Amino acid sequence: QQKVQQSPESLTVSEGAMASLNCTFSDGTSDNFRWYRQHSGKGLEMLVSIFSDGEKEEGRFTAHLNRASLHVSLHIREPQPSDSAVYLCAVRGSALGRLHFGAGTQLIVIP
Amino acid sequence: GALVYQYPRRTICKSGTSMRMECQAVGFQATSVAWYRQSPQKTFELIALSTVNSAIKYEQNFTQEKFPISHPNLSFSSMTVLNAYLEDRGLYLCGARTGGYAEQFFGPGTRLTVL
Repeated sequence: QQKVQQSPESLTVSEGAMASLNCTFSDGTSDNFRWYRQHSGKGLEMLVSIFSDGEKEEGRFTAHLNRASLHVSLHIREPQPSDSAVYLCAVRGSALGRLHFGAGTQLIVIP
Repeated sequence: GALVYQYPRRTICKSGTSMRMECQAVGFQATSVAWYRQSPQKTFELIALSTVNSAIKYEQNFTQEKFPISHPNLSFSSMTVLNAYLEDRGLYLCGARTGGYAEQFFGPGTRLTVL
């Protein structure tokens, strides 16, 4: 069973400073790794979906995947207070449509 | 564009009663629907995967007897929480996709409070 762990649990950054979030997984055979965010009381918003090792950029959000290290990270450039949310890492499972989620990182961006 | 609606957005039910929630896909064919639950202080757990014209697959700790799911066509799915108790509180998300490796689109969720 795929295990997904995120760190840190909570991260506070100042507006404009780069925010970096980490995610490790136990099974590197998955073909898809995603980052979502969830604002308080809301559903999921997908930020980046990455399929191969390297980097994928979507606006201010960049994911780095290193399958050999079982690691995928998310970097947020010039974070704003509106980016304050819980960020969730998800790894696609062997059953299509099944995602394994991490516990999330609470990001707080201070003006 | 592809959208997923969930209804109701919030609901409150008394302990021991049942509550039905709906998921509607617009702009694409929802061949497969995944229902997730996010309990307080926890991450999302998969309840079941439903594919039209196939058996619904429930994850360990979740059963059809407790969470019956209907997926009658390519745009609609519903799930009922039977005999809801405190541990059933949380945000229930529906994720719908067309077959194969198509992208999964999530609805905004149904937040269930049990009194």
